Amino acid sequence: DQQVKQNSPSLSVQEGRISILNCDYTNSMFDYFLWYKKYPAEGPTFLISISSIKDKNEDGRFTVFLNKSAKHLSLHIVPSQPGDSAVYFCAASLFGDMRFGAGTRLTVKP
Amino acid sequence: DAGVTQSPTHLIKTRGQQVTLRCSPKSGHDTVSWYQQALGQGPQFIFQYYEEEERQRGNFPDRFSGHQFPNYSSELNVNALLLGDSALYLCASSPTTSIGYGYTFGSGTRLTVV
Repeated sequence: DQQVKQNSPSLSVQEGRISILNCDYTNSMFDYFLWYKKYPAEGPTFLISISSIKDKNEDGRFTVFLNKSAKHLSLHIVPSQPGDSAVYFCAASLFGDMRFGAGTRLTVKP
Repeated sequence: DAGVTQSPTHLIKTRGQQVTLRCSPKSGHDTVSWYQQALGQGPQFIFQYYEEEERQRGNFPDRFSGHQFPNYSSELNVNALLLGDSALYLCASSPTTSIGYGYTFGSGTRLTVV
């Protein structure tokens, strides 16, 4: 049961431009949505989250948008930096049970 | 401040054998979750432990079992290993009431079943 989907396996952007990573979900009961970043040979690292009662959360260069009617969330990174190159996972939580998407590999070119 | 530590880092087992993976949560965290990540996929939820009891479980067979100890550390046991159990096994810890702050993950145990 693929409740969280990331349909773009990869994304390439130029340094300084905006990176937009997308995620769709099917279960309207999810209470929290999160983004994680993963470098090779490391576990995922928490990046930013948003409660289901909000539509936007911002933390520095990272902003997450939630569109509940479309069951869609996105992560915006502005400006993108080469160090942002990693695999980004979208996750959705239902009372602590966290489900992940398959990930999007972001490459930021200098 | 040590984060989540997992052992061993790599493991090779033969089909049909049993394996035990270990996890020490981040200091101050009392909830431990286990995930299986196959190549090219996102982590799949196996189960979560809190107060030494399995609180939630994903869609994994009974061959997958676990335990949490009074010091909050945890073990994942897999019996009758199949080739398809080859994956990266991730342990994550969290304070019980702070899902909005995300989980802290370990670097994982790479299990290869031959």
